[in-house]
Amino acid sequence: GQNIDQPTEMTATEGAIVQINCTYQTSGFNGLFWYQQHAGEAPTFLSYNVLDGLEEKGRFSSFLSRSKGYSYLLLKELQMKDSASYLCAVTDSNYQLIWGAGTKLIIKP
Amino acid sequence: TAGITQAPTSQILAAGRSMTLRCTQDMRHNAMYWYRQDLGLGLRLIHYSNTAGTTGKGEVPDGYSVSRANTDDFPLTLASAVPSQTSVYFCASSEADRSSTDTQYFGPGTRLTVL
Repeated sequence: GQNIDQPTEMTATEGAIVQINCTYQTSGFNGLFWYQQHAGEAPTFLSYNVLDGLEEKGRFSSFLSRSKGYSYLLLKELQMKDSASYLCAVTDSNYQLIWGAGTKLIIKP
Repeated sequence: TAGITQAPTSQILAAGRSMTLRCTQDMRHNAMYWYRQDLGLGLRLIHYSNTAGTTGKGEVPDGYSVSRANTDDFPLTLASAVPSQTSVYFCASSEADRSSTDTQYFGPGTRLTVL
């Protein structure tokens, strides 16, 4: 079956750095997405990786290793507004988007 | 631009009743999707439409139906609601035909409670 694993919850301190991991086992791979979802709101697009390596976008970076079925989202200089759930999703060989359950990130002052 | 709108925002429905969740996008996206999101589970695809006039079944289609009469609208109908359909429902759209780089954009969601 297809599976995406993320930690359920993480806690970090304001101003610090946090890394949210995602491992996947899917039938084929055509790209990996990270979305941010604040409580009670819709998911919003953060990043997309299809090739191995690091993609940097301001305070957020996303890394992909296709051979290991692994990605991480790195958040730097954490702010209170970064408290949210972070969803990892993989496009499989049928171009269907498979979603992880999400990681709830709690930022403490 | 409005993006994607959904109605209603929330609803309490008696079991056995029918209901249609509305979704409208103004981005002229070809593809549209309906997901449900339950605590502890990832987003699960109910139905999708690659283009106006076509629809397809997702991971959890039972008890739901959709139609895509035009590009902008993609209503989701529950013919006879059951308590297990209590969930938050998200409509999404994307520009292309589910290609690998196809980013999905989400509506604000409808919180449905079936009693």
